[in-house]
Amino acid sequence: DTAVSQTPKYLVTQMGNDKSIKCEQNLGHDTMYWYKQDSKKFLKIMFSYNNKELIINETVPNRFSPKSPDKAHLNLHINSLELGDSAVYFCASSQYGGSYNEQFFGPGTRLTVL
Amino acid sequence: SQQGEEDPQALSIQEGENATMNCSYKTSINNLQWYRQNSGRGLVHLILIRSNEREKHSGRLRVTLDTSKKSSSLLITASRAADTASYFCAPGSGNTGKLIFGQGTTLQVKP
Repeated sequence: DTAVSQTPKYLVTQMGNDKSIKCEQNLGHDTMYWYKQDSKKFLKIMFSYNNKELIINETVPNRFSPKSPDKAHLNLHINSLELGDSAVYFCASSQYGGSYNEQFFGPGTRLTVL
Repeated sequence: SQQGEEDPQALSIQEGENATMNCSYKTSINNLQWYRQNSGRGLVHLILIRSNEREKHSGRLRVTLDTSKKSSSLLITASRAADTASYFCAPGSGNTGKLIFGQGTTLQVKP
């Protein structure tokens, strides 16, 4: 069974569209994260939720909105997509929110904005 | 929060050789984690070393931490082609779980 899963794996869309990426973890973890990895492999944290509560909200455009319907799911909705949003988006989870906790990553969603 | 900076950016070695990757950071930390990313995949946790530890082993991996120099190193001994991947360090501090990754070291192990 996949521990952290994301859908879709690939997403190709036009500028201006709205899209969502879904993430689910079956590890029973309390904390989930969204990261963006650019073409130079820099991996930047975007958001983190602990038990459905937002605890990390980095400086990202407000076109990006995370939603956590329950602690096993953290979805990412992106409005008005721009070319610069093209990247690989990773979801991750950890048992708790502290820095001592190992994070488990999903396989990534490669978003291409044309 | 702070970013780990890995060095070198790229490393190419023959199978059986050892690979050493370095990580530097700027401020005090509670711990430092190392992750591996195979091409097209998510990151996988390798090892966590706490700030009061100087060295830690896990199989063929050896991690050192020098808090006075604000640096860490990851040594992979007797490398294999399957070790080909990018390796990231992530200094940890605070209690939010926020990890700041750098650009990673891309390791190629030639058979």
